[in-house]
Amino acid sequence: DADVTQTPRNRITKTGKRIMLECSQTKGHDRMYWYRQDPGLGLRLIYYSFDVKDINKGEISDGYSVSRQAQAKFSLSLESAIPNQTALYFCATSDLRKSGNEQFFGPGTRLTVL
Amino acid sequence: RKEVEQDPGPFNVPEGATVAFNCTYSNSASQSFFWYRQDCRKEPKLLMSVYSSGNEDGRFTAQLNRASQYISLLIRDSKLSDSATYLCVVGGMNSGYSTLTFGKGTMLLVSP
Repeated sequence: DADVTQTPRNRITKTGKRIMLECSQTKGHDRMYWYRQDPGLGLRLIYYSFDVKDINKGEISDGYSVSRQAQAKFSLSLESAIPNQTALYFCATSDLRKSGNEQFFGPGTRLTVL
Repeated sequence: RKEVEQDPGPFNVPEGATVAFNCTYSNSASQSFFWYRQDCRKEPKLLMSVYSSGNEDGRFTAQLNRASQYISLLIRDSKLSDSATYLCVVGGMNSGYSTLTFGKGTMLLVSP
């Protein structure tokens, strides 16, 4: 089955550490997204990419950076993690021609910053 | 005004009940509308798209009222397995790009 995968699934780190979250997809979709989800705040868009090397800031990009070096991969980096970046992070994909605006989500990465 | 607003619930209903969720959105230029379902600690998954003419998928019926900027989801004959959080999602243009905005979700708890 074509899929969206995220690694790691769980990560505990300390304040000030650099963290990278990886997302891979076998759907052949051109668009990829990173969201974070916090209790009571819902899903918020961090960054999105509509093609290789295309990068766009979302609602809450401060403190994060991304890289889209290949169509199938979209990585999210926290250069210097802080406790309020503790959250559940989701990667998603979409493809306007194949499935319109529907987004397909990975299983999530639970990040805890101590 | 928040972009996509939903009653957070929880809605507690017995099996077999009919339950309705509502959602309002602020951007009148929004172009696509969805209901997603999210189980606890899992990823959101598309439940159904919402069309202006209304659409039905088994026990689920979605309605869109563009004039009132209002979306609804009706679940008939609730099952225990319907317990989840339901996310109202609206698609629109952001600086020339199409993105989705998610409501915070409405929690449904179906009890025996």
